[in-house]
Amino acid sequence: GAVVSQHPSRVICKSGTSVKIECRSLDFQATTMFWYRQFPKQSLMLMATSNEGSKATYEQGVEKDKFLINHASLTLSTLTVTSAHPEDSSFYICSARRSSGGKNEQFFGPGTRLTVL
Amino acid sequence: GDSVTQMEGPVTLSEEAFLTINCTYTATGYPSLFWYVQYPGEGLQLLLKATKADDKGSNKGFEATYRKETTSFHLEKGSVQVSDSVVYFCGYNKLIFGAGTRLAVHP
Repeated sequence: GAVVSQHPSRVICKSGTSVKIECRSLDFQATTMFWYRQFPKQSLMLMATSNEGSKATYEQGVEKDKFLINHASLTLSTLTVTSAHPEDSSFYICSARRSSGGKNEQFFGPGTRLTVL
Repeated sequence: GDSVTQMEGPVTLSEEAFLTINCTYTATGYPSLFWYVQYPGEGLQLLLKATKADDKGSNKGFEATYRKETTSFHLEKGSVQVSDSVVYFCGYNKLIFGAGTRLAVHP
């Protein structure tokens, strides 16, 4: 199957700093990527849809100035948590959509655990 | 709005027991339905899917049938193993997920 990577896998930062998380589709091009947030023992909540070459579409309640998304190429989307605070500590997961032969498939990255002190 | 409701966990079973994890959805139209598994500290991996009514998805002994009349997509396995002890998520159109069900299988 297709591979999606995330970097870093874990990050610990101080309150007030910004953290960038990368999501890469390693062996296919993805015009659309998705960012999710998962709290402990809870489901994934879609934060935003990232479209290559255009602005991301944010879900209701997600602060676009807080969670900056850039999808600069067909294989890379980045999520920057700006001025992070302890309540931003969470598991962030991306997924990338592969379109082939009229079929869409979605592949998930392994996740990034963010801890804000 | 659109949503997915799945059985609350944890579900605790003995090895070789029969497994059912219920999943129901509310949605406009006829979405594709999915079951994913999540290993500790990792992202989601697709287990099986069904794209239209009456389709049955199956993989690794797990099955789920897309029931339009009951808006359900229950996950079943005839004989669980200890290695099946992970968290299961039901979802539709890959954007909306249930809360997850943790399965614990004891030898």
